Amino acid sequence: KQEVTQIPAALSVPEGENLVLNCSFTDSAIYNLQWFRQDPGKGLTSLLLIQSSQREQTSGRLNASLDKSSGRSTLYIAASQPGDSATYLCAVRLEYRGSTLGRLYFGRGTQLTVWP
Amino acid sequence: DVKVTQSSRYLVKRTGEKVFLECVQDMDHENMFWYRQDPGLGLRLIYFSYDVKMKEKGDIPEGYSVSREKKERFSLILESASTNQTSMYLCASSSGVDIYGYTFGSGTRLTVV
Repeated sequence: KQEVTQIPAALSVPEGENLVLNCSFTDSAIYNLQWFRQDPGKGLTSLLLIQSSQREQTSGRLNASLDKSSGRSTLYIAASQPGDSATYLCAVRLEYRGSTLGRLYFGRGTQLTVWP
Repeated sequence: DVKVTQSSRYLVKRTGEKVFLECVQDMDHENMFWYRQDPGLGLRLIYFSYDVKMKEKGDIPEGYSVSREKKERFSLILESASTNQTSMYLCASSSGVDIYGYTFGSGTRLTVV
């Protein structure tokens, strides 16, 4: 079974700092990896999707990297802002194996607080 | 943009009631999923479906059932609601090829009293 771990569980930083959120997974036979953001009481918003053949993806101040062989991904947030405060979730989809087709395995998330 | 719509944002139901949570997606996605999210436990997969009338159990299917009569709609059914089913319920969809990843709905906060 795929285990996904996110470190740290919580992070509190002043505005303007560059941040790194970590995600590790135990089964390297992944199809893709997706980073989500969740605001309190809300659903999940997709931030970045990295296919297994890719090394990184960028969107604005966000950059996600993937090292499939070592089972790791990082989400880099540049010049953090108070509006970035949320929980960030990492999820991996395995390569097709019967009934696991399409399902994601989630980490517990990193709760980020950016203060002014 | 892909839209996944959950019919209710908040629901309060009584113990023993039969509860229906509805989810509709508008991008012709093959795969649909129901998760529940609880503090300290993260997201847990209840059921998923990769085609009309097809369903697969996730990690915690007990006390739940699902229905997928049309491709765009995936319903979660609590046969007899109990207080331990009080939770945030999240629906998601993805294409079979999964080029764009998962899209989630905004969630339904269910309270069973």
